[in-house]
Amino acid sequence: SQQGEEDPQALSIQEGENATMNCSYKTSINNLQWYRQNSGRGLVHLILIRSNEREKHSGRLRVTLDTSKKSSSLLITASRAADTASYFCATDANDYKLSFGAGTTVTVRA
Amino acid sequence: KAGVTQTPRYLIKTRGQQVTLSCSPISGHRSVSWYQQTPGQGLQFLFEYFSETQRNKGNFPGRFSGRQFSNSRSEMNVSTLELGDSALYLCASSSDRPGTGELFFGEGSRLTVL
Repeated sequence: SQQGEEDPQALSIQEGENATMNCSYKTSINNLQWYRQNSGRGLVHLILIRSNEREKHSGRLRVTLDTSKKSSSLLITASRAADTASYFCATDANDYKLSFGAGTTVTVRA
Repeated sequence: KAGVTQTPRYLIKTRGQQVTLSCSPISGHRSVSWYQQTPGQGLQFLFEYFSETQRNKGNFPGRFSGRQFSNSRSEMNVSTLELGDSALYLCASSSDRPGTGELFFGEGSRLTVL
């Protein structure tokens, strides 16, 4: 079973629009991370937010974390064709592994 | 600095055979994690090694095994292959406990079982 669940499963947007995806998890965590995967490739780390943080920014990315609701969101602003990928949240529960959600597939249309 | 290297990148096996996949972590990284990725199950954790010790293992049958060598390189082995073992196997390395910082992933080994 997976710790995190992303919503929506798939998202299609126009270039220049914002993309928002959500992640819910089940147990207490130390931190939550977001990764991107281009088709059939390895995952690339995007951002890490610690359990005592509520919001974090990195370039066009904005991540929020609500530990009371056990949820996080990733916002990509001003999307580009190169943002087409699958996005995964991953949680650290201090058990020597990162647990990944099922992912959100984002398609950015030109 | 070189990234995580996985070999082979692609392989085709038949049911009943066994396979060994290799992972060379980023220099200086002592933790290596393995994941199985399939369209239906997503990314499933297989195991994590640190300094040749397995610290965590996912919910997979005993046909899945791994090890880590003194130079931090890791291998995983799947015996008696089944059709359902067809997947992308991803290796990731980190300098410390997975989760304290980012994981660095390799490009994966895509296994097809016929």
